[in-house]
Amino acid sequence: DAGVIQSPRHEVTEMGQEVTLRCKPISGHNSLFWYRQTMMRGLELLIYFNNNVPIDDSGMPEDRFSAKMPNASFSTLKIQPSEPRDSAVYFCASSPQGATNYGYTFGSGTRLTVV
Amino acid sequence: QQQVKQSPQSLIVQKGGISIINCAYENTAFDYFPWYQQFPGKGPALLIAIRPDVSEKKEGRFTISFNKSAKQFSLHIMDSQPGDSATYFCAASGQTGANNLFFGTGTRLTVIP
Repeated sequence: DAGVIQSPRHEVTEMGQEVTLRCKPISGHNSLFWYRQTMMRGLELLIYFNNNVPIDDSGMPEDRFSAKMPNASFSTLKIQPSEPRDSAVYFCASSPQGATNYGYTFGSGTRLTVV
Repeated sequence: QQQVKQSPQSLIVQKGGISIINCAYENTAFDYFPWYQQFPGKGPALLIAIRPDVSEKKEGRFTISFNKSAKQFSLHIMDSQPGDSATYFCAASGQTGANNLFFGTGTRLTVIP
């Protein structure tokens, strides 16, 4: 099993540009989570999906952020337009439904730098 | 509002010593308490987890102690090794219809040789 796969690993972009982060969850996992990690705020849950349906997006900072999960094997997190304060490491995680039994498997993250 | 409070923020321990990280929660609906370990440049990885029907769970050098009445749980790393140097996160989730984990703010552990 290749685990949760995120791309790109690093992204440097200019303020105002659109950024798209990608995630492939573990096959058979039907819950998918997007987290943002910064030194100041730690791990923040942005949004999560169950069976490709967004369940809770209350952590999405503002309308500049959007996430989709068109099928069970792919999700994207888009920031448009990007701002320097969006600089962080973005993690995708997946789990079998019901993290209470299995916990999450995280990807290696995408380090985003907005200049 | 932080659902899970974690301390200390950082910890330095001598090789062979015991590392102790503490967490507290308020939501009595939480019934699953995992710990995650994160090395630089990597995502957090599940280390050990406990449910509130037991007071302690041990896996190798790692032990979770759980105090349901105090709503506290802690991670003990016995015989700490330099390879244990990482950031540790506690977390909690519950049967609330949502299965998202609430994470603590993390503890950066450094084990000195």
